[in-house]
Amino acid sequence: SAVISQKPSRDICQRGTSLTIQCQVDSQVTMMFWYRQQPGQSLTLIATANQGSEATYESGFVIDKFPISRPNLTFSTLTVSNMSPEDSSIYLCSVSTTASLYEQYFGPGTRLTVT
Amino acid sequence: AQSVTQLGSHVSVSEGALVLLRCNYSSSVPPYLFWYVQYPNQGLQLLLKYTSAATLVKGINDFEAEFKKSETSFHLTKPSAHMSDAAEYFCAVSDRRGAQKLVFGQGTRLTINP
Repeated sequence: SAVISQKPSRDICQRGTSLTIQCQVDSQVTMMFWYRQQPGQSLTLIATANQGSEATYESGFVIDKFPISRPNLTFSTLTVSNMSPEDSSIYLCSVSTTASLYEQYFGPGTRLTVT
Repeated sequence: AQSVTQLGSHVSVSEGALVLLRCNYSSSVPPYLFWYVQYPNQGLQLLLKYTSAATLVKGINDFEAEFKKSETSFHLTKPSAHMSDAAEYFCAVSDRRGAQKLVFGQGTRLTINP
């Protein structure tokens, strides 16, 4: 399985600011995904990060609020823009590989608190 | 659309007792099914998966799950609970048609009593 790291691991931000979260994988992967886990809740897919093209967003999530980049096969960023307290969540990156297309491996998550 | 329902947001068992976490799914196509575990302040770890081979799937840490199409269920079991099993458990379903999107259940928090 792939080893995934995320930066930062946690942050406290003021409303109205933006935070960029990085996801780095130790090997080339096929797919990269970003999920949100709101306090005490399950995970919701935000978008699929596509290498070299625009991300594919799920219903309820828009590019202006959650811009995503994936410049290569091992790295992706998620920006949470113009933050409000409702954006306080854990943001998780996940990946799937050619060897195991339908398995997803998750990073440790970024715990974001917006004040 | 796919969905997952986990019955019981909180399950408590005694150490050494049987663990049973329930998951029912809804899918218009044959699904792939997964159980993940999340320990406090950590990401998700894959416990086991069903991808149309054997209906009884064995995973890590002595966990197993059985796919029952007639009941649209994929319940997770472990014969003997250990204190280290205390965590949040998520059942998830994936669309085989290639989207690879995971739809998660609401999660079940497992507490182990000494």
